[in-house]
Amino acid sequence: EAGVAQSPRYKIIEKRQSVAFWCNPISGHATLYWYQQILGQGPKLLIQFQNNGVVDDSQLPKDRFSAERLKGVDSTLKIQPAKLEDSAVYLCASSRSPGQGFHEQYFGPGTRLTVT
Amino acid sequence: RKEVEQDPGPFNVPEGATVAFNCTYSNSASQSFFWYRQDCRKEPKLLMSVYSSGNEDGRFTAQLNRASQYISLLIRDSKLSDSATYLCVVNIIRTSGTYKYIFGTGTRLKVLA
Repeated sequence: EAGVAQSPRYKIIEKRQSVAFWCNPISGHATLYWYQQILGQGPKLLIQFQNNGVVDDSQLPKDRFSAERLKGVDSTLKIQPAKLEDSAVYLCASSRSPGQGFHEQYFGPGTRLTVT
Repeated sequence: RKEVEQDPGPFNVPEGATVAFNCTYSNSASQSFFWYRQDCRKEPKLLMSVYSSGNEDGRFTAQLNRASQYISLLIRDSKLSDSATYLCVVNIIRTSGTYKYIFGTGTRLKVLA
């Protein structure tokens, strides 16, 4: 079974520029998550999709961050404009829907963003 | 108070030692519990789920105490390869029926030769 795919793996941009990350979840996983992980901290949920609907975006800085999941499969996360404090690893994860068996999360390799 | 709290460590232990990590959670409605392992510059990977009766997987034992709202992870006969950050994860079911996973900050373990 293929895992969660993410690209790019690394990105360096200047502040005020924009950047986009892509995620392809495990086939058949209805739930997709985007997390931000700052060095020394645990992952923090930015947005959660169930199929192509948003379940939780309460911690997404909506003035600069946006995300979409068209057709309930792939997802993109965008930052525009980037700030220095956005430097972090952006992790995508997926899981089965509740009621579809064991619901552990599987993570992609992450995108390491550096804002200079 | 954080929803999930862990001692960040680092825990430096010699090879062969036994080490234990605790994690406390604040939401009594928490449903499921997990330990994830995260190697340096890698993504988190599921180490084990934590069941109410406690469970063991080789050298690893996980325990849950719902009354006191904490979970623990015990590693016996530590190996150099156990060096990593161990993340405590708590799962809550929202009123919408969807899951929310809350991560602790992680506990760093370094096993020394």
